[in-house]
Amino acid sequence: AQSVAQPEDQVNVAEGNPLTVKCTYSVSGNPYLFWYVQYPNRGLQFLLKYITGDNLVKGSYGFEAEFNKSQTSFHLKKPSALVSDSALYFCAVRALGGSQGNLIFGKGTKLSVKP
Amino acid sequence: NAGVTQTPKFQVLKTGQSMTLQCAQDMNHEYMSWYRQDPGMGLRLIHYSVGAGITDQGEVPNGYNVSRSTTEDFPLRLLSAAPSQTSVYFCASTDDRSYNSPLHFGNGTRLTVT
Repeated sequence: AQSVAQPEDQVNVAEGNPLTVKCTYSVSGNPYLFWYVQYPNRGLQFLLKYITGDNLVKGSYGFEAEFNKSQTSFHLKKPSALVSDSALYFCAVRALGGSQGNLIFGKGTKLSVKP
Repeated sequence: NAGVTQTPKFQVLKTGQSMTLQCAQDMNHEYMSWYRQDPGMGLRLIHYSVGAGITDQGEVPNGYNVSRSTTEDFPLRLLSAAPSQTSVYFCASTDDRSYNSPLHFGNGTRLTVT
């Protein structure tokens, strides 16, 4: 069965420091991986995706993610965190079967950036 | 461009009551779906639709019904609400013809069942 794990419920970083939000996956076949961000009382917003090609994917708001097939990981990174990056982050993988629109989400990681 | 619009934003129901959560999108997307978000559980797929007249079950469909009579609208019905359905509900849509297309989410409906 396909699954996504986000091992950290919360990540705390100081403004200006690099940040990493971890994600590991379990899929059959090629993974289609996504990161979304959720600000308070809002829906999820798409950040970036990995479909194929370069293992380093760049997305919105200065975020990037590194796909590592051997470690089955897709960690979200940013070189210099901002207070405004504080939000809930979700990793997701496209589900097998059904519609290609169906995603399986991790439980989410709360990112807190302190000034 | 409105994107995905959900109404209402908040709703309180008593056990056994029924209601419909509305979802509309103006992007001509074929695919629409409903997720529920619960603390510590991420988002779980309830139902989805790949086009008008076509619906299917997701991971947690029990207690919910859907229909898709138009491309734009995808309402979610609770026929007899239960406290276990207290959650935040999100509607999402995408162009289903490409694996590259991200989901576009509405701002959610926060439902409390007492």
